[in-house]
Amino acid sequence: AQSVTQLDSQVPVFEEAPVELRCNYSSSVSVYLFWYVQYPNQGLQLLLKYLSGSTLVKGINGFEAEFNKSQTSFHLRKPSVHISDTAEYFCAVILNTGGFKTIFGAGTRLFVKA
Amino acid sequence: KAGVTQTPRYLIKTRGQQVTLSCSPISGHRSVSWYQQTPGQGLQFLFEYFSETQRNKGNFPGRFSGRQFSNSRSEMNVSTLELGDSALYLCASSLERGNTEAFFGQGTRLTVV
Repeated sequence: AQSVTQLDSQVPVFEEAPVELRCNYSSSVSVYLFWYVQYPNQGLQLLLKYLSGSTLVKGINGFEAEFNKSQTSFHLRKPSVHISDTAEYFCAVILNTGGFKTIFGAGTRLFVKA
Repeated sequence: KAGVTQTPRYLIKTRGQQVTLSCSPISGHRSVSWYQQTPGQGLQFLFEYFSETQRNKGNFPGRFSGRQFSNSRSEMNVSTLELGDSALYLCASSLERGNTEAFFGQGTRLTVV
């Protein structure tokens, strides 16, 4: 069965420290990979996506992610976080099964402390 | 260019009632998807519409239905509301289906009492 696992439900980190939010997926079909951010009482905003090509993807707000096919992972990283990065982060995959189905991970709450 | 607009933003309904939520996609976008977000279940896919046809459906009971109009606007309906239907309902629009970026609305917060 296809699934997306975000390994940490909460990640507290100090301002200006690096952070990694982990995402693993399982799928028997080809996938497209995404990271979204959700601020309180808002919808989701796309941070970055991997469709094909270079496995290192750069997104908005200084975030980047690396697709690792052998480990079926798509971890999100930022070298130095800001207070304003405090939000919920969602990893998502779109499965190409003839139709398109989106599966989201459970989310990781990033809390940046001063 | 205007973003995805969902109306209403907040809604309180009583068990057993039915509700209709509306989503206006970004101009030119033809694909609309709906999601239910709850603290316990996270984000769950409800349906996807493209060119007025439902292309994909998540694992929700038949009480959840939707439609898309010729101008790509979409509505979803939930009949015979249950307490467990309380959630944030998010709509997302995309230019095309599949691997294109989805733009999300701010959601409709539905509370069933």
